[in-house]
Amino acid sequence: EAGVTQFPSHSVIEKGQTVTLRCDPISGHDNLYWYRRVMGKEIKFLLHFVKESKQDESGMPNNRFLAERTGGTYSTLKVQPAELEDSGVYFCASSPGLNTGELFFGEGSRLTVL
Amino acid sequence: GENVEQHPSTLSVQEGDSAVIKCTYSDSASNYFPWYKQELGKRPQLIIDIRSNVGEKKDQRIAVTLNKTAKHFSLHITETQPEDSAVYFCAASGGGGSYIPTFGRGTSLIVHP
Repeated sequence: EAGVTQFPSHSVIEKGQTVTLRCDPISGHDNLYWYRRVMGKEIKFLLHFVKESKQDESGMPNNRFLAERTGGTYSTLKVQPAELEDSGVYFCASSPGLNTGELFFGEGSRLTVL
Repeated sequence: GENVEQHPSTLSVQEGDSAVIKCTYSDSASNYFPWYKQELGKRPQLIIDIRSNVGEKKDQRIAVTLNKTAKHFSLHITETQPEDSAVYFCAASGGGGSYIPTFGRGTSLIVHP
């Protein structure tokens, strides 16, 4: 079974540019989460989808971040325009249910904003 | 919301020694406490978890203990091996009706051969 896949693995952009990260969850997992880890800090929650609906986006930093999950399959996270503080590793995770315990993570997309 | 503190940030041990990583949480209603291991360049993966109705859980060389009164839980690794070297994250969830885990800052464990 394929795991959670994320693309790109690493992106280097300049301040003011736009970047779109993509996540393909495990097939059949209704729950999809985005997290971000800034160097040396916690893995911080950004938002949660159930199928195509945003259930909780309380962790989204500001309106420069836009997440979508069209059709309840893959998800994209767009940062526009990117700022220096947006640098970090963006993790996507999925789970079959909401209270089933384990989150299945992707390998992360490292974003560097110069 | 939930707040999880994790210590130490870095832990260096000799092969064969034990390693202990400690976490505290703020929401007394949290009831699920997973631990994830992230090897260099790889994805975080669940290695062990504990629910609030038990105080300790073991799986071979790793164990987790939970003290609900004090709101802290710990990961114990015995007979460490170089392949245990990784970043370990604790998390807590279930408080406030939210099942979304809140993570700690991570502990970088280095096991020297």
